[in-house]
Amino acid sequence: ETGVTQTPRHLVMGMTNKKSLKCEQHLGHNAMYWYKQSAKKPLELMFVYNFKEQTENNSVPSRFSPECPNSSHLFLHLHTLQPEDSALYLCASSQVVGQETQYFGPGTRLLVL
Amino acid sequence: AQSVTQLDSHVSVSEGTPVLLRCNYSSSYSPSLFWYVQHPNKGLQLLLKYTSAATLVKGINGFEAEFKKSETSFHLTKPSAHMSDAAEYFCVVNDRGSTLGRLYFGRGTQLTVWP
Repeated sequence: ETGVTQTPRHLVMGMTNKKSLKCEQHLGHNAMYWYKQSAKKPLELMFVYNFKEQTENNSVPSRFSPECPNSSHLFLHLHTLQPEDSALYLCASSQVVGQETQYFGPGTRLLVL
Repeated sequence: AQSVTQLDSHVSVSEGTPVLLRCNYSSSYSPSLFWYVQHPNKGLQLLLKYTSAATLVKGINGFEAEFKKSETSFHLTKPSAHMSDAAEYFCVVNDRGSTLGRLYFGRGTQLTVWP
């Protein structure tokens, strides 16, 4: 689990705030992912990055803005969120995009008031 | 199309008794299959994976799963449950025809272990 770290672990924000989630992987991987885990729903893939380039945006609202400055770091910038965006946001990485096993971070528990 | 169905949302067992978590999948191609475990307030940890080698796959913490193509199943088992096994378990399929790295997750099975 320590191969992929996420900060903060918990975040409470108002609907007018701007905040960022950070993910860092120490595994030498080239692909990184953002997932949303809501209660009673399957994990939802949000974004995929391969060698710093975004390869997939799974119809995510523009109030979520990802950034991947290098293969080891991934950010999710949040602004004007809605209460229904409250969830656990998980970051994952894999050697490359494709069939490889993905390794997950511990997640950021987000509450939007 | 790919999908994963975890047949039980909750499973309760007594410590020391066998565990069976059921998973069925559908896939257009020969899939890779995974089981992940999530303990409270933690991320997902890989338990085991099947990638077309032996159909009986052994994972960590005494878990194993058997790939049965004819039944499109990949059930997770453990001979003897331990209190520390209490967690949520996710069955996951990765379509080998996909180049996007997309994993398809089941809804999860919450395992409770009674003393």
